[in-house]
Amino acid sequence: DVVMTQSPLSLPVTLGQPASISCRSSQSLVHSDGNTYLNWFQQRPGQSPRRLIYKVSNRDSGVPDRFSGSGSGTDFTLKISRVEAEDVGVYYCMQGTHWPTWTFGQGTKVEIK
Amino acid sequence: QVQLVQSGAEVKKPGASVKVSCKASGYTFTSYGISWVRQAPGQGLEWMGWISAYNGNTNYAQKLQGRVTMTTDTSTSTAYMELRSLRSDDTAVYYCARDVISSGLLIRGYYFDYWGQGTLVTVSS
Repeated sequence: DVVMTQSPLSLPVTLGQPASISCRSSQSLVHSDGNTYLNWFQQRPGQSPRRLIYKVSNRDSGVPDRFSGSGSGTDFTLKISRVEAEDVGVYYCMQGTHWPTWTFGQGTKVEIK
Repeated sequence: QVQLVQSGAEVKKPGASVKVSCKASGYTFTSYGISWVRQAPGQGLEWMGWISAYNGNTNYAQKLQGRVTMTTDTSTSTAYMELRSLRSDDTAVYYCARDVISSGLLIRGYYFDYWGQGTLVTVSS
């Protein structure tokens, strides 16, 4: 089974400063169709998760452009260029390459210093 | 607009079963699947399984095999998740999310783009 490992698990950030979250998979996430189905989700306190990024770097509609995704193979990164107060929450990576089995990372809690 | 509306909170005793519903609207139900995800208090997201609303095919997380059953009712565009032999560590918020019905459709990106509001299931004696 694919294991998704995120780091750090806790990320205190100063408002206006950048933040970066790493996600590593135990197997390559390159699908047989050539795409890489690595996704990022944000979960604000008390809310359902919300998808931010799909297929490594595609931002969902309405997601601010301060969020960006990158990476390939087994190593991926979510970056927030300038953290705002509304970005507080837990961020999860999730692989879908091995569909119909999905796997989430453990989550990274972003908080304001 | 696409919506997934889940049933209300449940309190169950250990050993009992629970059935959570997820009613879809705003899209063609049988053109997509539904995945179920749960989140224990203070913990991360755990994928539980997937069902195709097109043909009822399922795939369950290994740790839940034998205790979970996912079904759909296409006449009402509703998906169901039943969990049996409940234990205290099944206490969690259960979410449904839209998924695809085949690997070839992943490329379109129409998966986990819509989520239900969550259903709290509490298992306590």
